[in-house]
Amino acid sequence: GQNIDQPTEMTATEGAIVQINCTYQTSGFNGLFWYQQHAGEAPTFLSYNVLDGLEEKGRFSSFLSRSKGYSYLLLKELQMKDSASYLCAVRDRQNSGGYNKLIFGAGTRLAVHP
Amino acid sequence: GAVVSQHPSRVICKSGTSVKIECRSLDFQATTMFWYRQFPKQSLMLMATSNEGSKATYEQGVEKDKFLINHASLTLSTLTVTSAHPEDSSFYICSATTLIEAYGYTFGSGTRLTVV
Repeated sequence: GQNIDQPTEMTATEGAIVQINCTYQTSGFNGLFWYQQHAGEAPTFLSYNVLDGLEEKGRFSSFLSRSKGYSYLLLKELQMKDSASYLCAVRDRQNSGGYNKLIFGAGTRLAVHP
Repeated sequence: GAVVSQHPSRVICKSGTSVKIECRSLDFQATTMFWYRQFPKQSLMLMATSNEGSKATYEQGVEKDKFLINHASLTLSTLTVTSAHPEDSSFYICSATTLIEAYGYTFGSGTRLTVV
């Protein structure tokens, strides 16, 4: 089966840096995604990691360690609009059916304060 | 970029009736469509996966006869909630991908279903 863990809630101050961690256990790991979601809206793609290391994209960076089953999303220069839920999602290769499933963690609600 | 149009965005229906939700990929061929359900303050729970032209694969605990999924073409997939009950009230969202999955997943805008 699959298991994806991330903190439920985090708070941070405007202008600061925050790191959201995600640990996972899957049988057929085939990539990890981070999404941002505001309440009542669809998730918005932030980053994708399939190899170990750091992927940087403006104020957002994501890190992956496949051997440790660990990823983090780093948000720099926090803005009030960054208050949202951040979802860690793992693509799990299926042996039958010829497709991959995208499985989401419970999400981390980030509150950015002035 | 890739766009998935999901309709309706909001629907209120009476208990016992059926509701159909549509997802259309506008500028790409969606070989695989995922259907998720999200309850308030919870994450997206995968309900089922459908590949164009074949039967959907449902996750454990999801009733196949209650949540009917059709993926008859490469640009359209539908989810029908049959005999809806108040506990089916939720946010339903689709996600499409292509054979070249490096393109990632494109999400519809979601459907807020309220059963009264």
